[in-house]
Amino acid sequence: GAGVSQSPSNKVTEKGKDVELRCDPISGHTALYWYRQRLGQGLEFLIYFQGNSAPDKSGLPSDRFSAERTGESVSTLTIQRTQQEDSAVYLCASSRGLSYGELFFGEGSRLTVL
Amino acid sequence: QKEVEQNSGPLSVPEGAIASLNCTYSDRGSQSFFWYRQYSGKSPELIMSIYSNGDKEDGRFTAQLNKASQYVSLLIRDSQPSDSATYLCAVNTGNTDKLIFGTGTRLQVFP
Repeated sequence: GAGVSQSPSNKVTEKGKDVELRCDPISGHTALYWYRQRLGQGLEFLIYFQGNSAPDKSGLPSDRFSAERTGESVSTLTIQRTQQEDSAVYLCASSRGLSYGELFFGEGSRLTVL
Repeated sequence: QKEVEQNSGPLSVPEGAIASLNCTYSDRGSQSFFWYRQYSGKSPELIMSIYSNGDKEDGRFTAQLNKASQYVSLLIRDSQPSDSATYLCAVNTGNTDKLIFGTGTRLQVFP
C-alpha cells in the first residue's frame, strides 16, 4: 500500500517480556517519527530519524526503549522488560520534511502489558 | 513550561457556530506549525499547516500564526457535529524537523 504500515496492530504481552514494533514508511520519505499515546492523552515524542543523520532520541523515556532504522526504510522500536506503564498506542509517522508539509501517520500498534 | 500548550477542553459549541482553538509554544526558533484532527480510536490527520505570520484559510478552516506572541490558533466556521474530535497543535523545534505535539483540545459540536 501507499501509506505508513505498522505491525503488529495489537500486542498483548506479559510484564518483563520484550516487544518489537515495526514501521514501514512511505517510500521516499526521509524522516520517520515514533510517538507514544497513552489512553486519553496527547502524542508523546519518542524518537526521530532524518535520512542518514544521527537520530534524535531525546524523547525515549528510559534505556529500556531503543529504535533502529536502516537507511530510509523500515524502523523497529524495541521495548525491553516491558512494564504496565508502557501500555499505549505507539504511532509511527513519516515525512519528506516539514517544509514540504505534513507527517503521515500509520494506524498505530496498541500495546497492552499485563 | 511545556513546549506546546493547549487547553484540554472540552470546548462545546452549537452547530453553525465558530469554534476557536488556541495553542502557545515556547521555542522562538520554531518555523513550522500544524493542526491535526484526531477522531477517537483513529490516527491524527492534517487539517492545516502554516509557516508565516498571518492568516491562512482553507474552506471552513482558518489558521492564524503570531510568532511575536508565540501562538497559533485554528478557527472552524459553521461548525458541524462531524467536527467533534480532538485537535492537536504541532510545532517544530528550532531549526529541525523534530515535531512536538500539544496534548490536544477536545471539541464537541452539538446539534
